Amino acid sequence: DAEITQSPRHKITETGRQVTLACHQTWNHNNMFWYRQDLGHGLRLIHYSYGVHDTNKGEVSDGYSVSRSNTEDLPLTLESAASSQTSVYFCASTAGTGTSDTQYFGPGTRLTVL
Amino acid sequence: QKEVEQNSGPLSVPEGAIASLNCTYSDRVSQSFFWYRQYSGKSPELIMSIYSNGDKEDGRFTAQLNKASQYVSLLIRDSQPSDSATYLCAGGLAGGYNKLIFGAGTRLAVHP
Repeated sequence: DAEITQSPRHKITETGRQVTLACHQTWNHNNMFWYRQDLGHGLRLIHYSYGVHDTNKGEVSDGYSVSRSNTEDLPLTLESAASSQTSVYFCASTAGTGTSDTQYFGPGTRLTVL
Repeated sequence: QKEVEQNSGPLSVPEGAIASLNCTYSDRVSQSFFWYRQYSGKSPELIMSIYSNGDKEDGRFTAQLNKASQYVSLLIRDSQPSDSATYLCAGGLAGGYNKLIFGAGTRLAVHP
């Protein structure tokens, strides 16, 4: 079955280290998104991509970067991890480009920055 | 004003009752709305979407959209303990392709 996976599922790192979170989908969706979820804030968009070599900033992109070298993967990199980036990170994908298209979420990565 | 607002709850209802979850939105949000259910420690899963004014029913779930009042709601009939979860309201960002704006979520607790 087609699916969307994230790795690692849990990560503890230290302030200042570079961290990369992986997202892989097998639906062949063009559109992929990264969100973070914190208590009281719901899901907030970090970066998104509408296709290979396309990346765009979301509402909370500072300190994060993404690259899209193929359709299946959108890795999220924290350049220099900060304690404020402790959060649960979700990747999502969707086939279409309209606001009515359903986003499917991966299982999430819980990141702790000490 | 937040772009999508929800009461954080918890909303506590007895088993078998109707649970009513509400969401308001700002002008930045378009007319496509989604309700996601999220169990503790899990990822959000879509349960309903609504694009037109009025009601949309799917099994025990009914979504309601009132564009004039900028209000969207989710009714869960015959609530079950398995419905206990956080419910996230999301709206498409006006002019924003398929970007979604999420509310902070309402926690629902259904007690036997």
